[in-house]
Amino acid sequence: LAKTTQPISMDSYEGQEVNITCSHNNIATNDYITWYQQFPSQGPRFIIQGYKTKVTNEVASLFIPADRKSSTLSLPRVSLSDTAVYYCLVGLLYNQGGKLIFGQGTELSVKP
Amino acid sequence: EPEVTQTPSHQVTQMGQEVILRCVPISNHLYFYWYRQILGQKVEFLVSFYNNEISEKSEIFDDQFSVERPDGSNFTLKIRSTKLEDSAMYFCASSDSPGTGTYEQYFGPGTRLTVT
Repeated sequence: LAKTTQPISMDSYEGQEVNITCSHNNIATNDYITWYQQFPSQGPRFIIQGYKTKVTNEVASLFIPADRKSSTLSLPRVSLSDTAVYYCLVGLLYNQGGKLIFGQGTELSVKP
Repeated sequence: EPEVTQTPSHQVTQMGQEVILRCVPISNHLYFYWYRQILGQKVEFLVSFYNNEISEKSEIFDDQFSVERPDGSNFTLKIRSTKLEDSAMYFCASSDSPGTGTYEQYFGPGTRLTVT
């Protein structure tokens, strides 16, 4: 499994765009990049997944440069309810029996 | 939208007692998981389950732990003799494939286990 590094915490204000970058220098050719979100006292929730370039859904965008050694989760116009921990996961689940390996994540605090 | 449910939401037990945590995965999912999160720490994988048998387990999942799918809907985690360090939030998750590049597992709301 590729090791990931992301900031421990970030602060933002309502209405701002938030970008959380994750480094994964030893990503393998078949690895995907996935982000989960966890609110306090709740289970993690899938946000977005990508392999290369850019992926966008109704919640976020994921930017992956050509070398795939990093990725950036972009949250447009955050609100107080986006305060959560965001996890970057990298790997190919198929050979690992489906388990998710979570790091410490980035604790995002959105202020009014 | 279908969701994973877990009961109870909070369980308090005394050290040495057996506990059973219950989960109802999403109905058409085939793969089931248990994770735990000690307060203030990261989410840790415990066990994965497919086709009525354990697919993989972590070092945490020792002989005190067991899982079962007693019927077509429930998925349970049993801790035979609880220890203080078992106090944590336990999350059940399910998915409809083991991965092949996708990581979408659906997590339940968790059961907070407090061992006194």
